[in-house]
Amino acid sequence: TQLLEQSPQFLSIQEGENLTVYCNSSSVFSSLQWYRQEPGEGPVLLVTVVTGGEVKKLKRLTFQFGDARKDSSLHITAAQPGDTGLYLCAGDTYNTDKLIFGTGTRLQVFP
Amino acid sequence: NAGVTQTPKFRILKIGQSMTLQCTQDMNHNYMYWYRQDPGMGLKLIYYSVGAGITDKGEVPNGYNVSRSTTEDFPLRLELAAPSQTSVYFCASSSSRDRPGNEQYFGPGTRLTVT
Repeated sequence: TQLLEQSPQFLSIQEGENLTVYCNSSSVFSSLQWYRQEPGEGPVLLVTVVTGGEVKKLKRLTFQFGDARKDSSLHITAAQPGDTGLYLCAGDTYNTDKLIFGTGTRLQVFP
Repeated sequence: NAGVTQTPKFRILKIGQSMTLQCTQDMNHNYMYWYRQDPGMGLKLIYYSVGAGITDKGEVPNGYNVSRSTTEDFPLRLELAAPSQTSVYFCASSSSRDRPGNEQYFGPGTRLTVT
């Protein structure tokens, strides 16, 4: 069974702080995606990383795909209350039509 | 485009009742998925479909059934509802695999309580 473990599970920080969320697996993925889910809504795609070692930036969010394509990280600079939500990583494998979703990181940013 | 729509938004069922959760997408996506999300947890795949007439089981299919008669619609049927099926259900869709990654678009969810 393929698993994607995210850490930390919960994160509660003050506005302006930096944070990093990790997504780790023993499996190799063809690509990896990050989603954010706000309360009462469905997940929304933030980014897809495809190449090992790839770094993508989305305003204050920086996403990195591990060189071996088994892990990824999400770094948020100067967090804002609007960043509050559940962050999910999801891995796409070479031979299936399904995504493997991570366990999730719940982020709360206080003003 | 409305994207992925789900009905109803909320539902309370008694144990043993049945219901169908509706999911429709207007993006002409060939892949569609049903997930459940328990409180504080990630997503678990129930069933998925890679095209009209084709369905397959996911991680937690027991107690559910699906059908895919059209590209647009992918209803999820609960037979003999049980308290363990209390959850939030999300439908998602994606286009064919010639894009990098199986990028999925999610509906707003159906919150189901079985008592």
